Amino acid sequence: QSVLTQPPSASATPGQRVTISCSGSSSNIGGNTVNWYQQLPGTAPKLLIYNTNQRPSGVPDRISGSKSGTSASLAISGLQSEDEADYYCTTWDDSLNGVLFGGGTKLTVL
Amino acid sequence: QVQLQESGPRLVKPSETLSLNCRVSGGPVSSGYWSWIRQPPGKRLEWIGYMHDNGNGKYNPSLKSRVTISGDTFKNQFSLKLSSVTTADTAVYFCARVGRVGLSYGTFYFADWGQGALVTVSS
Repeated sequence: QSVLTQPPSASATPGQRVTISCSGSSSNIGGNTVNWYQQLPGTAPKLLIYNTNQRPSGVPDRISGSKSGTSASLAISGLQSEDEADYYCTTWDDSLNGVLFGGGTKLTVL
Repeated sequence: QVQLQESGPRLVKPSETLSLNCRVSGGPVSSGYWSWIRQPPGKRLEWIGYMHDNGNGKYNPSLKSRVTISGDTFKNQFSLKLSSVTTADTAVYFCARVGRVGLSYGTFYFADWGQGALVTVSS
């Protein structure tokens, strides 16, 4: 099935740890690397995690990515108000023969 | 760091061709992969396609029959053409530089993004 499923929303208080999930299948997450993007309102997405668990320079180490089987996760610890944004997972799908994006998760910092 | 900037008409009539350019600074379009992604209002991001520096393209199967992505090394830019547009093609269109960990598409990622261009399809 060529779909990536994310929870539509997540919330936590400053300083807490939050995890955002991304569920797929063997044709996408199960066989390819996962990337995560942060999108602040009215701006372009920004790369947060590539190759499932690698951080580009400038992304703090309180942000991490992981994968197990056909699901991936993005974890943000020491939550800050500026983390309030939409988060998207993405990967290649071998059946679709194209890039898939998850539906996005809106993170609210309470 | 590579910077990208989209330009082109922001209003297109139904059945016509949407055309956007992406000017690149800080790196040559003659090297690597480049991409277009779009986001309809209130919806998820959608990959449109890749352009390789050898001129070959890889397109979203759902858009393949209508899409062409090409490069201009003299202007250091790459372009998107989407034909026979409908109101469903109204979206913010982003251009991006593609980063790669390996040779397969499964290891690609969108490393740098343009700010985006809202294109409205309306008569």
